[in-house]
Amino acid sequence: QQQVKQSPQSLIVQKGGISIINCAYENTAFDYFPWYQQFPGKGPALLIAIRPDVSEKKEGRFTISFNKSAKQFSLHIMDSQPGDSATYFCAATRSNYKLTFGKGTLLTVNP
Amino acid sequence: GAGVSQSPSNKVTEKGKDVELRCDPISGHTALYWYRQSLGQGLEFLIYFQGNSAPDKSGLPSDRFSAERTGGSVSTLTIQRTQQEDSAVYLCASSLNGLNEQYFGPGTRLTVT
Repeated sequence: QQQVKQSPQSLIVQKGGISIINCAYENTAFDYFPWYQQFPGKGPALLIAIRPDVSEKKEGRFTISFNKSAKQFSLHIMDSQPGDSATYFCAATRSNYKLTFGKGTLLTVNP
Repeated sequence: GAGVSQSPSNKVTEKGKDVELRCDPISGHTALYWYRQSLGQGLEFLIYFQGNSAPDKSGLPSDRFSAERTGGSVSTLTIQRTQQEDSAVYLCASSLNGLNEQYFGPGTRLTVT
């Protein structure tokens, strides 16, 4: 049972464009939704996270949009840069306990 | 300050051998997690330690897998009688008190030949 579904699997964006990655979850007990960025050969690095009491959180070029009724959340990367090329994982957890991850999205930003 | 460290960074072992993977969490972090990352299964939770509480072992895939955390700090993940399907990257994470963000180490890439 895949509790967090992530799409697309891969994404190609031109420099300066907007990258959008979507996730949907099933367990309504989840109360913390982080996004992780992973470069080849490195561990996942926390990028931004949101709790379901807000509908949007912005940090620099990264924004999470959260729709509690639809059980969906998404990551928007504004003004995408080649250095943003990485694999992005959404995750969900209850009380920041064990993370349940999506399958990941490989983002390529072309110069 | 120093992040989560893991050793070795790479481990190649023969099928049937035992391996030990080490994790040093961020100093002061009471919660420690092990995850496994493989092409087929993605990122999967394995085990969780929080302070002196009994660990949550619900993610361990078989009884060949075990983990210890000594002195509330360093943790060792042991895989006995390794199988080819154990080949993966094993990631360790820690958080301040189990209620905050999880910070990951660089992982140990295990290859079972």
